[in-house]
Amino acid sequence: DAMVIQNPRYQVTQFGKPVTLSCSQTLNHNVMYWYQQKSSQAPKLLFHYYDKDFNNEADTPDNFQSRRPNTSFCFLDIRSPGLGDAAMYLCATSRPRTGTYYEQYFGPGTRLTVT
Amino acid sequence: GEDVEQSLFLSVREGDSSVINCTYTDSSSTYLYWYKQEPGAGLQLLTYIFSNMDMKQDQRLTVLLNKKDKHLSLRIADTQTGDSAIYFCAEFSSNTGKLIFGQGTTLQVKP
Repeated sequence: DAMVIQNPRYQVTQFGKPVTLSCSQTLNHNVMYWYQQKSSQAPKLLFHYYDKDFNNEADTPDNFQSRRPNTSFCFLDIRSPGLGDAAMYLCATSRPRTGTYYEQYFGPGTRLTVT
Repeated sequence: GEDVEQSLFLSVREGDSSVINCTYTDSSSTYLYWYKQEPGAGLQLLTYIFSNMDMKQDQRLTVLLNKKDKHLSLRIADTQTGDSAIYFCAEFSSNTGKLIFGQGTTLQVKP
C-alpha cells in the first residue's frame, strides 16, 4: 500500500544532543511537510519541500532544519533540542495544489522526548 | 489572518449522535476537512467537503457546510466507543496554499 512512513515512532534524546527524524513516502508526491504537534494543540507547520525547493515558515526556530535528498525521503534535524521541543512530529505529503482535489497524507508521527 | 475554531470537548453516550462544530474565517477556502487522531497516532482523514457543496454523507458521517456563516459540522451517527478520539477541522487556504487546523475537539464516548 502507498503510504507515509516515519521512523522511529518514539525517540528519546538528551537536552542539546542533535537528533534526526526520518520520513519516507511511496506515494511519489512532490510536496513533503513537517509539522510539530504539542499536547492538546493543533499541528503547527514547520516547513515544506516542493520538490527540492525548501519553504520555511517565518516562525520556525533556526534550531530546526530539514533535508530532502530525493523524492521519497525527508529528514527533520533538530540541532540542539530543548525541553520545549518535546512533541509529536508529523510528516505529510501531497500533490501540488493545482488540480481538482487537494489532500495531505499524514504519517503516524514520531513522539520526541527530551531528557 | 486565517483562523479555525472548534469547541474543545464533547461527551456522548454510545449509540447517540455526535455533532462537532467548527468555524473558519478564510473565505478563499476551497476544501474543508475532518481529521481523526487517536492517542499517540497521526492524523487520519475522515472526510472532506468542497466549498461549493452544502452537505456530504459517507456512511455514519455527515458533513454540513454553511459557507455564508463559515460554519462546518461533522455528525457521527450511532457513535461507538471506537470513535473516541480528537477530531480536527482544517481548511485549505487558497491564499497561502496551507492547511489551517483548528485546535481539535476531544470526543469522549461513554458506554
